[in-house]
Amino acid sequence: LAKTTQPISMDSYEGQEVNITCSHNNIATNDYITWYQQFPSQGPRFIIQGYKTKVTNEVASLFIPADRKSSTLSLPRVSLSDTAVYYCLVGEATGGFKTIFGAGTRLFVKA
Amino acid sequence: EAQVTQNPRYLITVTGKKLTVTCSQNMNHEYMSWYRQDPGLGLRQIYYSMNVEVTDKGDVPEGYKVSRKEKRNFPLILESPSPNQTSLYFCASSPDRGGQPQHFGDGTRLSIL
Repeated sequence: LAKTTQPISMDSYEGQEVNITCSHNNIATNDYITWYQQFPSQGPRFIIQGYKTKVTNEVASLFIPADRKSSTLSLPRVSLSDTAVYYCLVGEATGGFKTIFGAGTRLFVKA
Repeated sequence: EAQVTQNPRYLITVTGKKLTVTCSQNMNHEYMSWYRQDPGLGLRQIYYSMNVEVTDKGDVPEGYKVSRKEKRNFPLILESPSPNQTSLYFCASSPDRGGQPQHFGDGTRLSIL
């Protein structure tokens, strides 16, 4: 499994765009990149998943460069309720597999 | 409503007293997994299951057992709990491929005295 590296914490203000970058230098050909959000004392919640280029849904965008050694989760116009821990995972999209969450990025959104 | 249900949500018990945390999902998912979360250590995978009767160890399996006799249920068993197993536990499931987004339960907070 590819190891991921993310910033430990980030601060932002309401209404700003937040970009969280994840490094995964050893990503394998079959690996997908998945991001989760977790609020205190709750289970992680899936945000977005992608393989290459750009993926966008109603919550976020995921940018993946051609070499796929990193990815950036983009949260447009954050609000106070976006304060949470964000995890980047890398793994195969086929077959059961081990999951490594890593330490995640603690995002704190201020008013 | 699609959900992963864990029981109990909270439990305080004593060292050595066997306990089981149940996990049930209603989405007909093949893949299920257990995690523990501790301050400063993030989420660590305990065991996972790719299908009925197919389980494998995650990163921290010591002191835990699991079984997958039915597709919907994946109980976590602590045969002889110890204080270092005090933690917040999450069960998760995903469709037939493990890399698919996982749906998590609300968590079980275990305190072992």
